[in-house]
Amino acid sequence: GNSVTQMEGPVTLSEEAFLTINCTYTATGYPSLFWYVQYPGEGLQLLLKATKADDKGSNKGFEATYRKETTSFHLEKGSVQVSDSAVYFCALGHPQGGSEKLVFGKGTKLTVNP
Amino acid sequence: NAGVTQTPKFRILKIGQSMTLQCTQDMNHNYMYWYRQDPGMGLKLIYYSVGAGITDKGEVPNGYNVSRSTTEDFPLRLELAAPSQTSVYFCASSYRQDGYTFGSGTRLTVV
Repeated sequence: GNSVTQMEGPVTLSEEAFLTINCTYTATGYPSLFWYVQYPGEGLQLLLKATKADDKGSNKGFEATYRKETTSFHLEKGSVQVSDSAVYFCALGHPQGGSEKLVFGKGTKLTVNP
Repeated sequence: NAGVTQTPKFRILKIGQSMTLQCTQDMNHNYMYWYRQDPGMGLKLIYYSVGAGITDKGEVPNGYNVSRSTTEDFPLRLELAAPSQTSVYFCASSYRQDGYTFGSGTRLTVV
């Protein structure tokens, strides 16, 4: 079945450091890929997405490229801020019966220190 | 726009009690979902709905029931609460493949 594996956390960085959170997936066909962010005490928010191979999703300085050859969708940011501290979830979406049920990774907690 | 609204935000139940978690969306999305989030375990799909009158089981449906009488509302029912149902519950809605909009969650503790 479809599954997502993302790097274990927690990740602790200093402000302005480079961020990479790895995500790989297993799926049949051509799924959509997503990154969601969850700030403390809140629900998940869509951060970025990509719907086909070689697509690059980007938002708020974050980027991720859909790599079908390596089945990966790694999240990157060149210079993190304290406000980026949150839990990040990689997710895979596969249309079934008209809806798109998402399968989520376990989440990676990021803490950015000043 | 309110988006997806969940109530209550917090609840403590005793073993064997029942309750309904409410979820309402005002975006006219056809698709709605219930997930539970356990610490370190990501999100697991409980039930989902592709439109009014249509629901289906997800990965972890046991102990829960849902109904979808209108496009806007998708309540989740716990009939006999058990400690294993202690979790944070998220409702979400979507339009085709545009990604989900999540509610802010209900934190449930069963004691």
